[in-house]
Amino acid sequence: QKEVEQNSGPLSVPEGAIASLNCTYSDRGSQSFFWYRQYSGKSPELIMFIYSNGDKEDGRFTAQLNKASQYVSLLIRDSQPSDSATYLCLSGGYQKVTFGTGTKLQVIP
Amino acid sequence: DARVTQTPRHKVTEMGQEVTMRCQPILGHNTVFWYRQTMMQGLELLAYFRNRAPLDDSGMPKDRFSAEMPDATLATLKIQPSEPRDSAVYFCASGREKTGTLNEKLFFGSGTQLSVL
Repeated sequence: QKEVEQNSGPLSVPEGAIASLNCTYSDRGSQSFFWYRQYSGKSPELIMFIYSNGDKEDGRFTAQLNKASQYVSLLIRDSQPSDSATYLCLSGGYQKVTFGTGTKLQVIP
Repeated sequence: DARVTQTPRHKVTEMGQEVTMRCQPILGHNTVFWYRQTMMQGLELLAYFRNRAPLDDSGMPKDRFSAEMPDATLATLKIQPSEPRDSAVYFCASGREKTGTLNEKLFFGSGTQLSVL
């Protein structure tokens, strides 16, 4: 079992819809979680981070963390073609920082 | 703006040659990561330093790869001898850790695109 798992996709959603990206992790000691967006040929850039159970909203983005079930998700409302990218989940565990392999999102105009 | 600087941006070399990639982390950051990214494997962690000490290099092929931090402003990743399967983008990232966990974001360099012929 990989330490951080993501569905590789591609996940296709129509413009204006909600995109839901999911990530599960195995390290119960993980305290912090980060969502990065990576455009092709570019380096990853931070979208959201979350430390506590529940939801955290920032503009069109909402991160959700459920430590009991060991999953973290990212919702993108009103998806735009410019959101088309690979989304990487990062688990900041104790002395172990692990990326998932990423989910490719395609927003169809 | 503070940024992680990686050099070179692109490197083309022949199989068997030594390759050295350099990274200047952001001043004040105490953790440095080296990642390799390919289409097939995604982002793979190669090495991870905290306060210049290596914490995890289990993802790095030890026979040909080596990673060091000679000082707080420089991290290096060397491949000797290089092989075609090493062709990938190599990213360096830096961040700040407190109490052993990552609680601030990682800043990524622009990457080194390595092609081994």
